[in-house]
Amino acid sequence: QTVVTQEPSFSVSPGGTVTLTCGLSSGSVSTTFYPSWYQQTPGRAPRALIYNTSTRSSGVPDRFSGSILGNKAALTITGAQADDESDYHCVLYMGSGIWVFGGGTKLTVL
Amino acid sequence: EVQLVESGGGLVQPGGSLRLSCAASGFTLSTNYMNWVRQAPGKGLEWVSIIYSDSSTNYADSVKGRFTISRDNSKNTLYLQMNSLRPEDTAVYYCARRGYSGYDFDYWGQGTLVTVSS
Repeated sequence: QTVVTQEPSFSVSPGGTVTLTCGLSSGSVSTTFYPSWYQQTPGRAPRALIYNTSTRSSGVPDRFSGSILGNKAALTITGAQADDESDYHCVLYMGSGIWVFGGGTKLTVL
Repeated sequence: EVQLVESGGGLVQPGGSLRLSCAASGFTLSTNYMNWVRQAPGKGLEWVSIIYSDSSTNYADSVKGRFTISRDNSKNTLYLQMNSLRPEDTAVYYCARRGYSGYDFDYWGQGTLVTVSS
């Protein structure tokens, strides 16, 4: 059973830069997993941020960026703002019509 | 404007059944891939099922054989029939549309809560 791993929590100072990662319990994440990222605040539906590794969804500010760093997908927030405090979820396409989400990262801005 | 509105959630006993609906507007459901994604209380997201434009379907192992995804093109509505429900199926269920890459989810509904408990 493949597990997608994310940091359970992270903190960043206002104006700072943070990189959240999305890995695999076994193996490396590459672009062929089509990693995508979603932002979610409590009680709300997820909002699409990044798809196809590094393409920003419509209306997403350019301080959000996606990449592959080493053997993981990464979401970098540059110049963090208070309203970036959210849960961030990644999902990987495993092939054969199956997607697996990570456990999510709770980001605190303080 | 694309909108997805789920309904049909509620309290059901273990072993029971429930059918969720997702009414779509602003686009044609039948020409898109549509998904169900769920989130147990305090947990992360879990992909549940997909229906493709050719009506083929796929399911997560955790629900295979118990859940059925379908759509009514005339009503532009997506469904999830859930049978043999278990307490671990308790979650907010979201419908989500395929995104540009074909491997992401660009629009999400607001979710509907399913609670499986005696």
